[in-house]
Amino acid sequence: AQTVTQSQPEMSVQEAETVTLSCTYDTSENNYYLFWYKQPPSRQMILVIRQEAYKQQNATENRFSVNFQKAAKSFSLKISDSQLGDTAMYFCAFILMDSSYKLIFGSGTRLLVRP
Amino acid sequence: KAGVTQTPRYLIKTRGQQVTLSCSPISGHRSVSWYQQTPGQGLQFLFEYFSETQRNKGNFPGRFSGRQFSNSRSEMNVSTLELGDSALYLCASSLRSTGQGTGELFFGEGSRLTVL
Repeated sequence: AQTVTQSQPEMSVQEAETVTLSCTYDTSENNYYLFWYKQPPSRQMILVIRQEAYKQQNATENRFSVNFQKAAKSFSLKISDSQLGDTAMYFCAFILMDSSYKLIFGSGTRLLVRP
Repeated sequence: KAGVTQTPRYLIKTRGQQVTLSCSPISGHRSVSWYQQTPGQGLQFLFEYFSETQRNKGNFPGRFSGRQFSNSRSEMNVSTLELGDSALYLCASSLRSTGQGTGELFFGEGSRLTVL
C-alpha cells in the first residue's frame, strides 16, 4: 500500500528564519511525482513545489526547496526566510504515473510563522 | 485563465437527503478528481474522471457517485447523507492523458458540506 507520513503535526518558526518539514513515503513503484501543497486558512490547496522521482536534482522554487532522498523515501521541505504568509497547513503527497492517477496525501503539518 | 471553480461553496443538509456538487476544471483540462477532506481522515481520494469516463475510484460506499460531461465539467453526488459525510469536498483538474501527465493537480476552493 502507498502511504505518506508527516511526523510533525505542528511547527512554529520565527519570521525570517528557516524551517524544515519532514515527509516520508512508501511505494514500490519507480515512476511517480512528489509534491508539497499548501492550504492556508482560506483553504484553497496551492502547489508549493514538485519533484519528479527520476530526477536526482532537488527541486527549488524561490524560498522553497526540497531534500529528496529516493532510497530513503524521504522528501522534506525547507522554507527559507519564512514570511507571515507562509502560515498554513502543508501537505506532502505523491502521485503514481500509472492509470490510477490519484494523489496520496500525508496528514499535514500546521506551520505557524511568528512575527 | 480561470481556475477550478466549485459550487456551491457552502451547504447544509439533513441526514437522508442527497447532495450534488459541481466542478468546472481549468480550460483544456480533461481530468477531474474529487477528494474528501475531514479532520479525522484527512484527504482521501474519491474518484477521477477523464473524458467522461471514471478512471479510478477510492474506497467509498456506493452512495458516492460522480459523472463528467463532454465539456469536462464534473458533478459528484452523495445520496442518503450521513453525519459522517460532513466534510470539505475538493475538486482538482489536470492535463493528464492516458497513462501520462504532468503530475500536477490544480485544486478548487472546495465545497463545505454540513450534514445535520
